[in-house]
Amino acid sequence: NAGVMQNPRHLVRRRGQEARLRCSPMKGHSHVYWYRQLPEEGLKFMVYLQKENIIDESGMPKERFSAEFPKEGPSILRIQQVVRGDSAAYFCASSHDSSSDEQYFGPGTRLTVT
Amino acid sequence: AQSVTQPDIHITVSEGASLELRCNYSYGATPYLFWYVQSPGQGLQLLLKYFSGDTLVQGIKGFEAEFKRSQSSFNLRKPSVHWSDAAEYFCAVGAGDTGRRALTFGSGTRLQVQP
Repeated sequence: NAGVMQNPRHLVRRRGQEARLRCSPMKGHSHVYWYRQLPEEGLKFMVYLQKENIIDESGMPKERFSAEFPKEGPSILRIQQVVRGDSAAYFCASSHDSSSDEQYFGPGTRLTVT
Repeated sequence: AQSVTQPDIHITVSEGASLELRCNYSYGATPYLFWYVQSPGQGLQLLLKYFSGDTLVQGIKGFEAEFKRSQSSFNLRKPSVHWSDAAEYFCAVGAGDTGRRALTFGSGTRLQVQP
């Protein structure tokens, strides 16, 4: 059973470009979460999605960031007009249905903005 | 809102020695508590979790943690550390009883193991 998959693993963008990060949840999981880890810090929650629905986006910056989890295909975290402060590791996690189910994390995408 | 404090940023222990990593949380109700481990450049792996019931929980790789409500703590322990345990350890709290699924993480404790 494949784990949570994220791609690309490393992404370099110049300031002003767009970054698209992809996450395929574990088989059978319908809940996806995105977290951001700045250097030397813990993970910070960004958004929680189910298929075709954003459930909790309380951690998402108000501008330039968006997320989706379509009926078919992976979840996408999109960052428009990236700035140097967006450089971080972005982790996706997935879980089964119950709120007591643990979240399984992917290997992360390391975004570098030059 | 919940919060997590890991007071030790960096800990060094000798191989074979015992280990305790501290975690204090703030949450009004009974929290869901987790310990994750992260190796350099990798994602997070769940070591153990507490939702309810027995306050001493066993995890993978020989780790255990004890939930102490009176101290708002969930410290991670291992009786004998192996060199492969060198990594960063994160404590996290969830408010699963509210239906909210976002986890709040501590800032992590980096464990170094000396031969």
